[in-house]
Amino acid sequence: EAQVTQNPRYLITVTGKKLTVTCSQNMNHEYMSWYRQDPGLGLRQIYYSMNVEVTDKGDVPEGYKVSRKEKRNFPLILESPSPNQTSLYFCASSLRPDPTGELFFGEGSRLTVL
Amino acid sequence: KQEVTQIPAALSVPEGENLVLNCSFTDSAIYNLQWFRQDPGKGLTSLLLIQSSQREQTSGRLNASLDKSSGRSTLYIAASQPGDSATYLCAVKDQTGANNLFFGTGTRLTVIP
Repeated sequence: EAQVTQNPRYLITVTGKKLTVTCSQNMNHEYMSWYRQDPGLGLRQIYYSMNVEVTDKGDVPEGYKVSRKEKRNFPLILESPSPNQTSLYFCASSLRPDPTGELFFGEGSRLTVL
Repeated sequence: KQEVTQIPAALSVPEGENLVLNCSFTDSAIYNLQWFRQDPGKGLTSLLLIQSSQREQTSGRLNASLDKSSGRSTLYIAASQPGDSATYLCAVKDQTGANNLFFGTGTRLTVIP
């Protein structure tokens, strides 16, 4: 089944403890992206990747890192999480970095930073 | 910067009614507009994708229209069912960012049996 898989789905952590949210897609998609969803603000893009080893900042990149060493994986790294990073995170992918392409989303990872 | 607005924020209708959800955007220079459904605790499910050159798309009981020049899109749901209860999000991909989708904050739909 074609899908975008995120792990963990739920995580509670403490300020400053490094964590990684993994994202994997099995559709051979070139483009991958991370979003966060907050009440009243909608979804906002954190980082995106056009292909392996090609990443760039979205609208809200502060406090996050990403890497794209393999085509299928695009982990989101929080080196020193803070409470304002408590949010619902979504990974998305599309076949090509083509602006007309359709985006497919994972089921989300709910992160709470205490 | 592109701004996407969805009104109303919440809507309740009795089962069987036809309904329309609205989406407006500020910059008409878009590549496409996508409608999503989000269930509580779940991810986003793509419903319909309308390219900028298209006027509408249909899938089953759903019909989405796009008027790019006026910055508006509507999602029409025919013969609503309780299973349609969810939050509906619209998102536009405009020509300024690299594949960035700009999302509205959604309309929470409740279909009452």
